[in-house]
Amino acid sequence: DAKTTQPPSMDCAEGRAANLPCNHSTISGNEYVYWYRQIHSQGPQYIIHGLKNNETNEMASLIITEDRKSSTLILPHATLRDTAVYYCIVRVEVIGAQKLVFGQGTRLTINP
Amino acid sequence: EAGVTQFPSHSVIEKGQTVTLRCDPISGHDNLYWYRRVMGKEIKFLLHFVKESKQDESGMPNNRFLAERTGGTYSTLKVQPAELEDSGVYFCASSQVRPGTSGTGELFFGEGSRLTVL
Repeated sequence: DAKTTQPPSMDCAEGRAANLPCNHSTISGNEYVYWYRQIHSQGPQYIIHGLKNNETNEMASLIITEDRKSSTLILPHATLRDTAVYYCIVRVEVIGAQKLVFGQGTRLTINP
Repeated sequence: EAGVTQFPSHSVIEKGQTVTLRCDPISGHDNLYWYRRVMGKEIKFLLHFVKESKQDESGMPNNRFLAERTGGTYSTLKVQPAELEDSGVYFCASSQVRPGTSGTGELFFGEGSRLTVL
């Protein structure tokens, strides 16, 4: 699986959009970009994933550059409960082999 | 629908003792994973079951760790004998076999079992 690079920490004001970048310059054509987050000591939580098109769900939006070498997770209206460590993970989506490889992630702090 | 449940939530044992962690995946999920996070480190993959079979156990640190999944339902992770460096949080996750049948192929994680070895 390709390696990702994320800033170690970011701050964002409550109510504003939080934009979390991720570099994955060695991503392969069949690798997806996944985002998970871990709130305090809870288990990691799935947020969103995509291959090459931008994706949006009830939690966030994922913007993937045309060359797929980087992506941005957008939390449109951040709340205090969004304070967490966010992980960008790239992996091949193979049925029955869905291991995730976590990096250091970005520690996002939402400030009131 | 119940999520992934893990037991115990916290275990404190002495070096050399044995501990068994249990994970109940979401009903119907064939894939079951164990991960752990030791202090200050990244979340690391331990192993992956597909039903009762070990699909990938490349992350198991050594033979003091034994994972089982009898009947393809719940799983246990035994550490025997425990060492100080085994302290950390052990996460279990489950997913369906076919990505997309639940909409995302995502892994659902439990709250973790915190292990403290003194």
